Amino acid sequence: EAQVTQNPRYLITVTGKKLTVTCSQNMNHEYMSWYRQDPGLGLRQIYYSMNVEVTDKGDVPEGYKVSRKEKRNFPLILESPSPNQTSLYFCASSFLQGPNEKLFFGSGTQLSVL
Amino acid sequence: GQQVMQIPQYQHVQEGEDFTTYCNSSTTLSNIQWYKQRPGGHPVFLIQLVKSGEVKKQKRLTFQFGEAKKNSSLHITATQTTDVGTYFCAGPGSGGSNYKLTFGKGTLLTVNP
Repeated sequence: EAQVTQNPRYLITVTGKKLTVTCSQNMNHEYMSWYRQDPGLGLRQIYYSMNVEVTDKGDVPEGYKVSRKEKRNFPLILESPSPNQTSLYFCASSFLQGPNEKLFFGSGTQLSVL
Repeated sequence: GQQVMQIPQYQHVQEGEDFTTYCNSSTTLSNIQWYKQRPGGHPVFLIQLVKSGEVKKQKRLTFQFGEAKKNSSLHITATQTTDVGTYFCAGPGSGGSNYKLTFGKGTLLTVNP
């Protein structure tokens, strides 16, 4: 089954404790992206990647890191989480060009930073 | 940067009533996408519009892309409780590719049975 898999689904942590949210897709998509969703603010892009070893900042990259060492994986790293990073996070992937650029989203990670 | 504005933010309807959400961009869009997010779920792709003036239908849902390719709408005829959720429009960033897809803030639709 074609899917984007995010883990964990829920995460509670404390300020300053490094964490990683994993994202994996099995559709051979070139493009992967991370979004955060906050009430009243919609979906805001954090980072995206157009292919292996190619990443770039989205609209709200501060406090986040990403890597794309393999095509299928795109982990989101919070080196020193802060309470303002409490949010619902979504990973998404798609083909990069052509008529099939629709995004496939993972199920989300609800992060709480205390 | 490009902004995609979506209205209304909330819409509550009685089951059977129609519903429309509107999306406006500050720049011309090469295409626009629509997504639906059920409560507690993740966004799911509905449709992509590419051509100026394009109209597409999916059962009770009608999607339109403006002639100037700066606005779009989603209209639901005779809403049902299964239509509940947040509807997002999304437009591509510079260059036309969707690698910097910008989402509107969404319209939350609730339906009273």
